[in-house]
Amino acid sequence: DAKTTQPNSMESNEEEPVHLPCNHSTISGTDYIHWYRQLPSQGPEYVIHGLTSNVNNRMASLAIAEDRKSSTLILHRATLRDAAVYYCILSGAGGTSYGKLTFGQGTILTVHP
Amino acid sequence: DVKVTQSSRYLVKRTGEKVFLECVQDMDHENMFWYRQDPGLGLRLIYFSYDVKMKEKGDIPEGYSVSREKKERFSLILESASTNQTSMYLCASSLFGGRASNEQFFGPGTRLTVL
Repeated sequence: DAKTTQPNSMESNEEEPVHLPCNHSTISGTDYIHWYRQLPSQGPEYVIHGLTSNVNNRMASLAIAEDRKSSTLILHRATLRDAAVYYCILSGAGGTSYGKLTFGQGTILTVHP
Repeated sequence: DVKVTQSSRYLVKRTGEKVFLECVQDMDHENMFWYRQDPGLGLRLIYFSYDVKMKEKGDIPEGYSVSREKKERFSLILESASTNQTSMYLCASSLFGGRASNEQFFGPGTRLTVL
C-alpha cells in the first residue's frame, strides 16, 4: 500500500482557517485520498475523500495537487470541536482491497480559543 | 444516519478467558472491519468481512478469530485472552465490496483490559 506522510502536530486559533498537509508521493492512479478524524474518546469519523479533483463538503475542503503526490485538508474556520487527530489515508480500488484503510499516525490538531 | 454499535464500552477480563466483542450495524452494509488502536501504533486492521460467513485476515490476525453469521453482526473472538491484547477495539462498516471510495463508519470502541 502507498504510504502517506503528515506532520505530527499542528496548532490553530479558533475561527481561523487550517491547512493540514499530506504527502503521498507513491500514490497509484486508482488510489483514493481519504481523510478521517478522531475526536477524543471516539471512533474515527469520515471527513472527505477525492480522487483527482478538489472536493468540498459541509465539513471541509480537499485540495489535491495536479500530480496527486500531495493533498491538503482545509478547515475553513476552525472551532474547538475540530481539535482531533486527522488521518490522511490512501485506499486502492477493486480486487480484494474491499476499501481497506491503513491508518498512519495522523496529525494532532490543537485549536486555541 | 448509519449506526455502528459495540456491545460494551469497557470490558475487563482475566488472562485465559474467552472474550467476545460484538458489533452491529443497521444500514445493510456488506463490509465490516475490526481494528485495534494502541498508543504509538495507531489503528491496525485485525480482520474484515465482505459478506456473510466470509472473512479475510488483516494485518494482525494472530490471537483473534471472527464470526459473521448475519449481515448486520460481526464478532471478534479472543480464544484465550492475554495481557498484550489489552487495547481499544474499534468496529467499522462500509457499503459495497471492492470500492475504494467507500466511507467507513466506526463504532465508539470497546476498551478491553486483560488482567
